Amino acid sequence: GQNIDQPTEMTATEGAIVQINCTYQTSGFNGLFWYQQHAGEAPTFLSYNVLDGLEEKGRFSSFLSRSKGYSYLLLKELQMKDSASYLCAVRDLQYKLSFGAGTTVTVRA
Amino acid sequence: NAGVTQTPKFRVLKTGQSMTLLCAQDMNHEYMYWYRQDPGMGLRLIHYSVGEGTTAKGEVPDGYNVSRLKKQNFLLGLESAAPSQTSVYFCASNSGTSGGAYETQYFGPGTRLLVL
Repeated sequence: GQNIDQPTEMTATEGAIVQINCTYQTSGFNGLFWYQQHAGEAPTFLSYNVLDGLEEKGRFSSFLSRSKGYSYLLLKELQMKDSASYLCAVRDLQYKLSFGAGTTVTVRA
Repeated sequence: NAGVTQTPKFRVLKTGQSMTLLCAQDMNHEYMYWYRQDPGMGLRLIHYSVGEGTTAKGEVPDGYNVSRLKKQNFLLGLESAAPSQTSVYFCASNSGTSGGAYETQYFGPGTRLLVL
């Protein structure tokens, strides 16, 4: 199985940068996903890492270190609409995802 | 292309009642999943299916049954509902074929279930 940890809450100011860390312990690693979930809605895909390094997609970037069991999601130029929960999920060799409890990000004006 | 849809959106049950949640996808995906989401606990896998006619247990399968008689549908049943099953239930699917970035799971809008 997987053990996935991420902070419960983070608060930042509009226009700032926030980094959400995720650590995991896994019995079979086949990729790490980040999802965004607004209150009352379904999770939506943000990013995917399977090799070490940084993946950049516009204002969002995600980093992975497999040897350290560590990932982070970087949100730049924060906007009010970025207020949401961010879910770290690790995929196993059977394509199953194990999710962290999620990090609620609040963006303040 | 509707993606993943779930029926119903919201339901209230009394303890001991039964119900079936329906998930449908129109993306010809092989893999389908049922999760529950509770405050502070994240998404937990209940059951999943890797193809028509197959099902397998996830992390929290007790009290639930599933069926995948048609490739596009995945049903989640509660035979005798309990208050502990009050939760938001999400269905998801993916093709299960490439293993790359586009193997992300696509989620339905969720079903909110309250068991009294």
